Amino acid sequence: GAVVSQHPSWVICKSGTSVKIECRSLDFQATTMFWYRQFPKQSLMLMATSNEGSKATYEQGVEKDKFLINHASLTLSTLTVTSAHPEDSSFYICSAQTGGDIQYFGAGTRLSVL
Amino acid sequence: RKEVEQDPGPFNVPEGATVAFNCTYSNSASQSFFWYRQDCRKEPKLLMSVYSSGNEDGRFTAQLNRASQYISLLIRDSKLSDSATYLCVVNKPGSARQLTFGSGTQLTVLP
Repeated sequence: GAVVSQHPSWVICKSGTSVKIECRSLDFQATTMFWYRQFPKQSLMLMATSNEGSKATYEQGVEKDKFLINHASLTLSTLTVTSAHPEDSSFYICSAQTGGDIQYFGAGTRLSVL
Repeated sequence: RKEVEQDPGPFNVPEGATVAFNCTYSNSASQSFFWYRQDCRKEPKLLMSVYSSGNEDGRFTAQLNRASQYISLLIRDSKLSDSATYLCVVNKPGSARQLTFGSGTQLTVLP
């Protein structure tokens, strides 16, 4: 159990385009999902906490207008990177909680902006 | 001081060796502790939760010392497949069930 699906796993896009990443909890309902970014050889950095039916809570330094998060249902949260630029190239990972503090992660999305 | 601090490694050990990783955390109010492993270019996967009394799962033993705010992970009889980055993870008190990740310790088990 506790499977989190993230799609797409890899995307290459041109600078200025928007990219949408989906995160789904397949066998449980997740009232809270999290979005992280990870640069090479660094640890996960929390970008935002996504709560079903309400606005996401963004970490300091993360632009909410650039990284749009929607958590429309108990099993789906989406992250849209708007007007992506090369510096946005990174590994984006979502996670979800079933209850308690354990987080289960999606497989991640590797974004390359040309 | 970092919220969660780990030995940076890398640790290169031969198959069959015993290896130990250490981690310290800064917030004494933290209540939940975990070890995750992350393979190269993959997502983190839960290895084990860490309980006050210490816990063991096969070749893996985790210890928690609340007084010293210290967590450890011991791996016995290392396998090649244990090669990964091990992340020490602590909950963030007062947050919406957020977790704070250490920067990870890289382990390579050599044949």
